[in-house]
Amino acid sequence: KAGVTQTPRYLIKTRGQQVTLSCSPISGHRSVSWYQQTPGQGLQFLFEYFSETQRNKGNFPGRFSGRQFSNSRSEMNVSTLELGDSALYLCASSESGLQETQYFGPGTRLLVL
Amino acid sequence: GQQLNQSPQSMFIQEGEDVSMNCTSSSIFNTWLWYKQDPGEGPVLLIALYKAGELTSNGRLTAQFGITRKDSFLNISASIPSDVGIYFCAGQRRTGNQFYFGTGTSLTVIP
Repeated sequence: KAGVTQTPRYLIKTRGQQVTLSCSPISGHRSVSWYQQTPGQGLQFLFEYFSETQRNKGNFPGRFSGRQFSNSRSEMNVSTLELGDSALYLCASSESGLQETQYFGPGTRLLVL
Repeated sequence: GQQLNQSPQSMFIQEGEDVSMNCTSSSIFNTWLWYKQDPGEGPVLLIALYKAGELTSNGRLTAQFGITRKDSFLNISASIPSDVGIYFCAGQRRTGNQFYFGTGTSLTVIP
């Protein structure tokens, strides 16, 4: 099976812009979680989607949003970008998200100038 | 969100030495996962644990699900240069489906 894929791998934006990141989970996986990783904060949970519904949400402002499509692919959007949004954004998938192994994609490196 | 306490934060060891790291939580977890991450890449799953007391190996790596269900341990035997990277633990509670991550252990292997 193909692994989790994320596009784009690298992105440069300026403050105030918005960005959309995409994640395709492993075939058959219906749960997709998003994380932000920065050197200072480590891996921070953003949100988790299952069957097109957001099931869990981390402690991030409303500028961070996501959605999941019927084929389980997921997108996350960050509006009004700030310098502090520069990070590696990781997506992970699992079959149902419950008591299961979670597999990560390679991440999207976002740089906000 | 909650993060697990992972130690040590960093390790510098000679090639061939064994390595031990651990992760603790104030909450009971039903699943423990161990990942390795190379710079600029996503974490790669090393070992998954689902039962208290479970001991699982993957080559030179061995991980244990603590009997209290509040901790987990990862050992690497006979380290080699390609073991360099950051190792993360992750735990999932019985209720809910969010994974909580450790702060990472940075491993440097000196040839």
